[in-house]
Amino acid sequence: ETGVTQTPRHLVMGMTNKKSLKCEQHLGHNAMYWYKQSAKKPLELMFVYNFKEQTENNSVPSRFSPECPNSSHLFLHLHTLQPEDSALYLCASSREIRVAGTGELFFGEGSRLTVL
Amino acid sequence: AQSVAQPEDQVNVAEGNPLTVKCTYSVSGNPYLFWYVQYPNRGLQFLLKYITGDNLVKGSYGFEAEFNKSQTSFHLKKPSALVSDSALYFCAVRDEDGANNLFFGTGTRLTVIP
Repeated sequence: ETGVTQTPRHLVMGMTNKKSLKCEQHLGHNAMYWYKQSAKKPLELMFVYNFKEQTENNSVPSRFSPECPNSSHLFLHLHTLQPEDSALYLCASSREIRVAGTGELFFGEGSRLTVL
Repeated sequence: AQSVAQPEDQVNVAEGNPLTVKCTYSVSGNPYLFWYVQYPNRGLQFLLKYITGDNLVKGSYGFEAEFNKSQTSFHLKKPSALVSDSALYFCAVRDEDGANNLFFGTGTRLTVIP
């Protein structure tokens, strides 16, 4: 148990559906992240939030829309996705985004997304 | 720009034998280096990190890693492998001035054979 909980664990959706992924952390951290994990590729950082403010968007298509209502919750809203968006989406948190000397991220177990 | 290379997609080792998972990195300044492990159907778990100081870093579950600045490497090692060590291992790097944006490698799948 890492203190970061993601739901749902598995999601199958059509290309015209709208769905959301949810992440909640119970660690009192201030920074939260969305990563995309595809087979045989490096983990791709998608979004970073620090104290609820988005600090990074790594050229992610607009069909992915993040939301961070508070420091404990992070959402990823999905609509009109493509089959190549099928992947494991990982949420992570850390105390701050500039944690000099540490940099330890705490990851959730991921949401496995399949787009048909 | 920061980057990490894990040259081996797969490493097989017999139980009880020493294991090494390789990682080389590229970063503009001084590197902060990390190893994470991912067990099946789980998220990534932090194993160990190098920030500064002793080049040999000890981490969780008996793992250690050696920082080699001249070879820009940070190989993960364990003296005696266990079957339960079988997992996907990720090396990650960021530079000392960067935000907490870790650049991960593609991962190495370690299989320990009983």
